[in-house]
Amino acid sequence: SQELEQSPQSLIVQEGKNLTINCTSSKTLYGLYWYKQKYGEGLIFLMMLQKGGEEKSHEKITAKLDEKKQQSSLHITASQPSHAGIYLCGARQGTNAGKSTFGDGTTLTVKP
Amino acid sequence: DTGVSQDPRHKITKRGQNVTFRCDPISEHNRLYWYRQTLGQGPEFLTYFQNEAQLEKSRLLSDRFSAERPKGSFSTLEIQRTEQGDSAMYLCASSPQGDQYEQYFGPGTRLTVT
Repeated sequence: SQELEQSPQSLIVQEGKNLTINCTSSKTLYGLYWYKQKYGEGLIFLMMLQKGGEEKSHEKITAKLDEKKQQSSLHITASQPSHAGIYLCGARQGTNAGKSTFGDGTTLTVKP
Repeated sequence: DTGVSQDPRHKITKRGQNVTFRCDPISEHNRLYWYRQTLGQGPEFLTYFQNEAQLEKSRLLSDRFSAERPKGSFSTLEIQRTEQGDSAMYLCASSPQGDQYEQYFGPGTRLTVT
């Protein structure tokens, strides 16, 4: 089955710094999702990427999909304490598949 | 749109007891998913429904686990004869059918088996 590997596992940055989180798939990606989770809570949807080369932005967060590399990156510009949390990438197992696989997350701490 | 809701939010039970969790999806979503998440891990797929039909089950879903969605609206997840290894966050999500839609997650039910 498909596996998603995220790097780094954890990240501590100073407020105002930029950062990048990567997600690499062991198989072909049929859509890639980024979610944010606060400890002990549900997942909040951030962005979905479906096509190779696609790039989406929301406020200071940008995500890109490299279909050939089976990889996605999430970039945060000028990080703020509100960006702190666990970032998870997820992917469907196939076209119109119900099953999705998730990475183990990257824990982001932003120091004021 | 009130979002996906789950009940209860927390459940503490003794080993060997049965527990049941409920999930109410976003009303117009015909797909409903159950995941299990342990500390430091991402959500693991358990099962999903399209309307009232259970279309896929993970091998993680042992015989002690059963899920239903009788009228294609809310769903229940029951764990029989709970074990300490069942302690986890149980997440429910819903979506419309189709690759262009993301899954909307509920707040989860945290189960602790003592």
